[in-house]
Formats: sequence, C-alpha cells, structure tokens
Amino acid sequence: SQQGEEDPQALSIQEGENATMNCSYKTSINNLQWYRQNSGRGLVHLILIRSNEREKHSGRLRVTLDTSKKSSSLLITASRAADTASYFCAPQSGGYQKVTFGTGTKLQVIP
Amino acid sequence: EPEVTQTPSHQVTQMGQEVILRCVPISNHLYFYWYRQILGQKVEFLVSFYNNEISEKSEIFDDQFSVERPDGSNFTLKIRSTKLEDSAMYFCASSLGGWDEQFFGPGTRLTVL
Repeated sequence: SQQGEEDPQALSIQEGENATMNCSYKTSINNLQWYRQNSGRGLVHLILIRSNEREKHSGRLRVTLDTSKKSSSLLITASRAADTASYFCAPQSGGYQKVTFGTGTKLQVIP
Repeated sequence: EPEVTQTPSHQVTQMGQEVILRCVPISNHLYFYWYRQILGQKVEFLVSFYNNEISEKSEIFDDQFSVERPDGSNFTLKIRSTKLEDSAMYFCASSLGGWDEQFFGPGTRLTVL
C-alpha cells in the first residue's frame, strides 16, 4: 500500500474564495478517497474516485484524478469558515483494503 | 443517515491493564477496520477484518492486540496489557465492499497512565 502526499501543507484563504488541494501518489491505484478531519475529531469521508473516473462532484466539492500523473486534486468552492479542517487523500491500491493517510493539508478559512 | 458509533468516547487506564474498545459498524457493511492516531501524528492503520477473520494487519498490531466480532453488530479491539505508547485516538471504520468508501466513527481517546 502507499500513502498520498498532500500539497500544500497549509492553506489560508478568505471566506468565499475557492480552495484547491493536491495529492500525489506513487503506484497505480484502485481508488482514492478524500477525508476531512476537524481538530481532534473524527474523519469525515468526502469523496471516493475510482481509477477509471476523471472527475467527481459532491455539493461544493470537486475531485479530479489524473492516473497518468498519479495525482488528484480537491477543489472546495465558495469556502466557509466551517470548512476549516485538515484534508487528507487516501489511495487504495494493490490487494489492500486499508487506506493510508499522509500528513494532510491544513485549511484555514478566515471569516 | 447510518453512522459508525464507538464507545466509550474516552477511556483512562493504568499501564498493564486490559482495555476493550467497542464499535458498532454500519449495519450492512462487511469490512471492518481499526486505525489509531497518536496526538499530532498521522492516522495509522491497525487491522482489517472480513468474514470473521483478520484480512490484513500492520506491524503495530502485535500479540497485545486482538479483534473480535462477538455478535452481529459489535466489533471490538482489545489491548491486553496497555503501554504508555498506546495512548492515542482509536478509530473504527467500516465499508460495504473492500474497495468502497470507509466510514469512520468518532473515535475513542485512550489515555494510559
């Protein structure tokens, strides 16, 4: 299995702006999942994108996947203060069911 | 919306004691997991469980750890003899299939004194 590497490590934006977070991974995947974690709290599943998909939407979230570049991005549009959290990408690959977390992108949305 | 639940939310124990952390996965899910997060560190995989047996485990999941699905709804993690370094937030997760979304519970904060 492998972990995703999120970039940037930290991002600070004004409320209403869009936030883009990137994820890179090393080997081929079955799918890639994005999660959110508020400080000291549980992990909230945001979106799963499979290796044969290129883009997925859920509300204000848009995830893209480029398997040729082994990268994914998460776009949050019209950000809100409540979006302040850490965001993780978690690839699933090979014969493993586990997801492997990196260090995440810490997003701060300033009201 | 169905959710994964965990009890207790916080457990304090003395070093060397046994603890059991409990989880109720989403009812129709077939795959169950435990992860942990030491304060300030990454979320780490411990074990996955399917069809009443462990399907994968990490190096962290040594002989001190065990998992069980004692009935149709609960999924437990037992630590036989806790160490100070076991202090962490423990998350249970479940998924319908092995390659589907994993839904996490709110976690149990374990403090070993």
